[in-house]
Amino acid sequence: KQEVTQIPAALSVPEGENLVLNCSFTDSAIYNLQWFRQDPGKGLTSLLLIQSSQREQTSGRLNASLDKSSGRSTLYIAASQPGDSATYLCAVKVIGYGNKLVFGAGTILRVKS
Amino acid sequence: DVKVTQSSRYLVKRTGEKVFLECVQDMDHENMFWYRQDPGLGLRLIYFSYDVKMKEKGDIPEGYSVSREKKERFSLILESASTNQTSMYLCASSPQAVGGSIFDTGELFFGEGSRLTVL
Repeated sequence: KQEVTQIPAALSVPEGENLVLNCSFTDSAIYNLQWFRQDPGKGLTSLLLIQSSQREQTSGRLNASLDKSSGRSTLYIAASQPGDSATYLCAVKVIGYGNKLVFGAGTILRVKS
Repeated sequence: DVKVTQSSRYLVKRTGEKVFLECVQDMDHENMFWYRQDPGLGLRLIYFSYDVKMKEKGDIPEGYSVSREKKERFSLILESASTNQTSMYLCASSPQAVGGSIFDTGELFFGEGSRLTVL
């Protein structure tokens, strides 16, 4: 059974810092991995989607990498801002598991001004 | 931009009532999903649909049903609401990935969520 773990569970950093959020998964047979952010009481916003054949994706200050063989993905946020404060979730789409994504529990990020 | 719209942001219902949660997407996506999100339990898939009138059970379908009569609309139905169905409900849609099977979906887009309280 696929399990997705996100470390750390919570992170507090001063504004301007570069930071890394980690996501690990136990089964490397995945179609893709997606990173989301969620603001309190809101839905999830898609940040980046990495297909299983890709190594990384970039969008603005965000860069996500994927190492399928080791079951790891990292989300790198450059020059963090208070507006980046949110919960960040990763999810993997598992081959042979129908249409289901398996989500991690998330990392709560707080960027202090 | 993809827009997934959930008709109700907040609902309060009584035990035993029938509840409809509506979701509409405007990007002609084949796939639509209903999740619930609870503290400590994360997101759990209730049902999904990969085509009109097609549905598949997710991890926690008990107590729920769905309807997809049109491609853009996916409804979640609680036949007889119970207090343990108090939760945040999230609808999502995704296109079918190019060259992939119906299970090889592309990027997932979520609505704003519907917070349901059952008294």
